[in-house]
Amino acid sequence: DADVTQTPRNRITKTGKRIMLECSQTKGHDRMYWYRQDPGLGLRLIYYSFDVKDINKGEISDGYSVSRQAQAKFSLSLESAIPNQTALYFCATSDSRGYTYEQYFGPGTRLTVT
Amino acid sequence: SQQGEEDPQALSIQEGENATMNCSYKTSINNLQWYRQNSGRGLVHLILIRSNEREKHSGRLRVTLDTSKKSSSLLITASRAADTASYFCATGTSGTYKYIFGTGTRLKVLA
Repeated sequence: DADVTQTPRNRITKTGKRIMLECSQTKGHDRMYWYRQDPGLGLRLIYYSFDVKDINKGEISDGYSVSRQAQAKFSLSLESAIPNQTALYFCATSDSRGYTYEQYFGPGTRLTVT
Repeated sequence: SQQGEEDPQALSIQEGENATMNCSYKTSINNLQWYRQNSGRGLVHLILIRSNEREKHSGRLRVTLDTSKKSSSLLITASRAADTASYFCATGTSGTYKYIFGTGTRLKVLA
């Protein structure tokens, strides 16, 4: 969905490096999410934000941090990358108005930590 | 821990046949959604069913929800090769806007 963009799309980094994944959206949604996807495990929630000043940990937040710079931008950081953080990372948005609950996903960032 | 688990993990059918996949979950929910993911790409929302609904239709999709059994099923009728994808259920609980995804069913439709 072009309304939710993620950069970079692919990244290879070394153990111990700091890396930031960025997400931007033009949908005007207030809620934003970060997930990681591993084969056979589905998607797991890392962090979520209901507005700029409201950030919450998901089920697997250890080793990650986030920043909601504006309503449209939500960044995920790996302070010191480790190999088991190799995964496909997705950003998603949803709109609290209208109670539709539907989430809109970005195209994903494939991260490899060597 | 996963809230939802899909069954089967993988399914292969011929074009034109129906595909049924199931989702089981553990706790009370407010709504359940189904998403499709084409290989390595972002998920796309298909359909949502609320906890007070038992069945919902959208085009070739039919979703049922049995809250007493904590399970849902997604039926895709008259499948097409383009339906080849992974399908995930996601459950939402009352009062929150966070969702827990299942492990997915990989559907392959053979032309």
